[in-house]
Amino acid sequence: GEDVEQSLFLSVREGDSSVINCTYTDSSSTYLYWYKQEPGAGLQLLTYIFSNMDMKQDQRLTVLLNKKDKHLSLRIADTQTGDSAIYFCAESMAGGFKTIFGAGTRLFVKA
Amino acid sequence: SQTIHQWPATLVQPVGSPLSLECTVEGTSNPNLYWYRQAAGRGLQLLFYSVGIGQISSEVPQNLSASRPQDRQFILSSKKLLLSDSGFYLCAWSGNSGNTIYFGEGSWLTVV
Repeated sequence: GEDVEQSLFLSVREGDSSVINCTYTDSSSTYLYWYKQEPGAGLQLLTYIFSNMDMKQDQRLTVLLNKKDKHLSLRIADTQTGDSAIYFCAESMAGGFKTIFGAGTRLFVKA
Repeated sequence: SQTIHQWPATLVQPVGSPLSLECTVEGTSNPNLYWYRQAAGRGLQLLFYSVGIGQISSEVPQNLSASRPQDRQFILSSKKLLLSDSGFYLCAWSGNSGNTIYFGEGSWLTVV
């Protein structure tokens, strides 16, 4: 069945780069997403990548997709304390109604 | 632009009492609508989704139900709450191609 896995915790120092990793099982996934959840809030869409892309960059965020290994990563450059949050990886298929979410990676940024 | 709102933001209810969480979407027509639950420190569980008025699909058997009385309104209900219903409930919408999902602010439910 479909599954998305990601590590539960990541701790980095302010100013360093953060890399959050995710693996998925459904090779027919068309869209892959990263969402950010701050404490007590809903999920905010950060970025997404189509499965026919290898990389997408948006300011401090870089998404890398390795379709062969079914591996997705989110790199945050110059991590700030405001980046402390839970980051969810998700996958969906074109025309599908189900988006499968990982359990979320809690990012701690130390000043 | 599209917006999604859900309420109430926080709710403390006794065991056995009813529940009604409401969600509305503005700025789009015929959206797909979703209810997710996030238990403390855990990932997201899809509870219900709807592709149109009166059309509800349930993903997991549970003590909850959903209704969609209008195109942009989605309601999560229970007749009798259980302690295990406590959690963070998120309403969400997507275009009717079903792809990118946008979330509401969430509702904290504590059953005591």
